[in-house]
Amino acid sequence: EVQLVQSGAEVKKPGESLKISCQGSGYTFTSYWIAWVRQMPGKGLEWMGVIYPGDSDTRYSPPFQGQVTISADKSISTAYLQLSSLKASDSAMYYCARGSFRGDIVSPFDYWAQGTLVTVSS
Amino acid sequence: EIVLTQSPGTLSLSPGERATLSCRASQTVSSSFLAWYHQKPGQAPRLLIYGASSRATGIPDRFSGSGSGTDFTLTISRLEPEDFAVYYCQHYGTSPWTFGQGTKVEIK
Repeated sequence: EVQLVQSGAEVKKPGESLKISCQGSGYTFTSYWIAWVRQMPGKGLEWMGVIYPGDSDTRYSPPFQGQVTISADKSISTAYLQLSSLKASDSAMYYCARGSFRGDIVSPFDYWAQGTLVTVSS
Repeated sequence: EIVLTQSPGTLSLSPGERATLSCRASQTVSSSFLAWYHQKPGQAPRLLIYGASSRATGIPDRFSGSGSGTDFTLTISRLEPEDFAVYYCQHYGTSPWTFGQGTKVEIK
């Protein structure tokens, strides 16, 4: 069974950094793209970027380029989303999701993790 | 960047009724790389349709997608209680990929 499991909810102060993990299981982790999606409170979905764990090829959505860092450790089937210099406006639910088609970046997202709620408050 | 505009913003219907949701793109979506998801409160989104008209694994046949170019439609033939949710379209062709702002399907 394909599963993606994210790390737990976080409460951070402005200016701090954060790294959210997304562990995949039940499939060949290195062969499918992993995407990160942000959902601000009461709002819609925003695609942040993707990574191919097999070679760490990474692409970012322009609004998030330079603002976040996506990485992966294929030895433990885990992708990461790093947020630095956190602001209150970074408070959101963050999801990782798997691209549907093996090796193909042009894929919808067929499996989603449960999400990680990030709260940034002084 | 392709901007996706969904309409209506909210659809108020009764169980058993037909729902028709629209997604319009600001430019042509190549090769119909258009997907639909729904999201229930407190849950992650779920893939319903990809390639504009192909149902994802396990999705019942009351869900159907159609369209090409810049105009796409998701149709739910007969609403079941579990279908009341927010629906998003997404294009996944040329980066950056984007989502529509969502259509809420609520119980009338």
